Amino acid sequence: ETGVTQSPTHLIKTRGQQVTLRCSSQSGHNTVSWYQQALGQGPQFIFQYYREEENGRGNFPPRFSGLQFPNYSSELNVNALELDDSALYLCASSLGSISYNEQFFGPGTRLTVL
Amino acid sequence: GENVEQHPSTLSVQEGDSAVIKCTYSDSASNYFPWYKQELGKGPQLIIDIRSNVGEKKDQRIAVTLNKTAKHFSLHITETQPEDSAVYFCASMNTGNQFYFGTGTSLTVIP
Repeated sequence: ETGVTQSPTHLIKTRGQQVTLRCSSQSGHNTVSWYQQALGQGPQFIFQYYREEENGRGNFPPRFSGLQFPNYSSELNVNALELDDSALYLCASSLGSISYNEQFFGPGTRLTVL
Repeated sequence: GENVEQHPSTLSVQEGDSAVIKCTYSDSASNYFPWYKQELGKGPQLIIDIRSNVGEKKDQRIAVTLNKTAKHFSLHITETQPEDSAVYFCASMNTGNQFYFGTGTSLTVIP
């Protein structure tokens, strides 16, 4: 059984660019949640996908968008990057749409916006 | 929206002593409260959780207590070991299945 994997591990972009981050769920999991973790802060919920449909969204602007594929892997897309988007982006997979099923986090993608 | 406050931000204890981390939340409808441990370079890992219909839960050296009336919950680690050193996050989940995390507590266990 493989755990949650994310790619790339590190990424440097400039302001105004677009970025795509990828996440592979743990085997058998059909729900993926994305979080933004600024340095020294707790993770902030961006959105959740359950069986390819968005199943909840946090307080993030529309330039943060996502996809979930039939194999339950997922992408986070961020358009028009801003300096404040620099953070660790975490995805977490779980089974089912109820969030108190245990979430398993990946190691994250460190995004730096210059 | 929900506001989760976590204290202290840093905590140092001697090996074998107990550590207590406290969190408060604002949304009385929140119904699930997990605790996560995050080690350097890794994602958070669930260590214990509690639902709103339970007042206390224990798993070996780790326990969580919940006071719904006061809207606070606490993590207790007994007989601390150096490998317990990490950043700990509390979180609450509202009825919309959204998680809100505290700002973290950096725990150092001194051998």
